[in-house]
Amino acid sequence: GAGVSQSPSNKVTEKGKDVELRCDPISGHTALYWYRQSLGQGLEFLIYFQGNSAPDKSGLPSDRFSAERTGGSVSTLTIQRTQQEDSAVYLCASSRTPGQGYYEQYFGPGTRLTVT
Amino acid sequence: KQEVTQIPAALSVPEGENLVLNCSFTDSAIYNLQWFRQDPGKGLTSLLLIQSSQREQTSGRLNASLDKSSGRSTLYIAASQPGDSATYLCAVKQIDSWGKLQFGAGTQVVVTP
Repeated sequence: GAGVSQSPSNKVTEKGKDVELRCDPISGHTALYWYRQSLGQGLEFLIYFQGNSAPDKSGLPSDRFSAERTGGSVSTLTIQRTQQEDSAVYLCASSRTPGQGYYEQYFGPGTRLTVT
Repeated sequence: KQEVTQIPAALSVPEGENLVLNCSFTDSAIYNLQWFRQDPGKGLTSLLLIQSSQREQTSGRLNASLDKSSGRSTLYIAASQPGDSATYLCAVKQIDSWGKLQFGAGTQVVVTP
């Protein structure tokens, strides 16, 4: 079946602009995660969704970052007033519902964000 | 606080040799450990998932072991091929977390023909 998809694959924006990154999880996966991969910080967790709720937002670096998920499917990560330090690859992953025995996370190809 | 370490950071081997990649973690209260492969400019591909109750998992030429009490996992790749060249990452899920993975920095592998 189809894997996790993300759009756009690349985004170049000017400092101070807002950006939206989209993630389509694997069909039937109710858990969705956002991570960020940057040269200096490696791979960092940002936020976790179970259905449309986000019980763990502990990785969001500032209040400029927000995310939502609708219909238990598509998720959007929004970065307001982008800064150069926001430049990174943003990765989305999905997995089956905890309690069904499997927590294997499947990752999308990522969105490369460059803030100029 | 959990810390995940992968040593070495880079590794180069001739084709046909077996690869041994190491991952260590400081907090043994994990639910599972997952190994990934990342090709340049690409996302992560899941290779193997080991639950905390398991000692090893195998898939084709790949074998991963887990020693939770000592905080170690090892990924073995038999008879390496140039196509195995990639960065390999390990990640752990804590028992007391909602589901986030905590990653090591990765081992960059080059297999020379």
